[in-house]
Amino acid sequence: ILNVEQSPQSLHVQEGDSTNFTCSFPSSNFYALHWYRWETAKSPEALFVMTLNGDEKKKGRISATLNTKEGYSYLYIKGSQPEDSATYLCAPESSGYALNFGKGTSLLVTP
Amino acid sequence: DTGVSQDPRHKITKRGQNVTFRCDPISEHNRLYWYRQTLGQGPEFLTYFQNEAQLEKSRLLSDRFSAERPKGSFSTLEIQRTEQGDSAMYLCASSLEDTNSPLHFGNGTRLTVT
Repeated sequence: ILNVEQSPQSLHVQEGDSTNFTCSFPSSNFYALHWYRWETAKSPEALFVMTLNGDEKKKGRISATLNTKEGYSYLYIKGSQPEDSATYLCAPESSGYALNFGKGTSLLVTP
Repeated sequence: DTGVSQDPRHKITKRGQNVTFRCDPISEHNRLYWYRQTLGQGPEFLTYFQNEAQLEKSRLLSDRFSAERPKGSFSTLEIQRTEQGDSAMYLCASSLEDTNSPLHFGNGTRLTVT
């Protein structure tokens, strides 16, 4: 089981603020890093799957970077909106093992 | 896109009773996963299947938990002699076999053991 740390645990920002979260994971046996968004009363939804060191992916106002050598990924949200309020989960993938999720970062964006 | 469906959405049971949940994955997905989520925690891995074969089972999973995927399509998760600590959201997800394929989650089954 891969030990996954996410920080901060929770975050409260104002509409329009930009924010970022961190996901730390062991760098050995690394295959991929997954990011998911989980809104209340919905199911977790995949945001990104990243594999290469230095990878950067973008989806609208959300982007993510990956450093496999030091074992961390950042998720950025530019100009946060209330609809971005959700729990953001990361999960590293290694050979032969199912995804092991972190505890998540709970984001609240208020108008 | 029918997505992953889980049944029931909610289940309230008395301690000591057995419960069974069902998950129907996306039809072309050959991997199926069960996770459990409790308040303040991320989804905790329980077990996963590739087609009908159960490839991995969490060491944290007690003998009271059993999962099946008899024909490589839908799956069931049974909890015998439920305890209050089993109260949680049980999530099912499916994916393609390829490494790096994202998981597609169902809406979960909320279990409350009284």
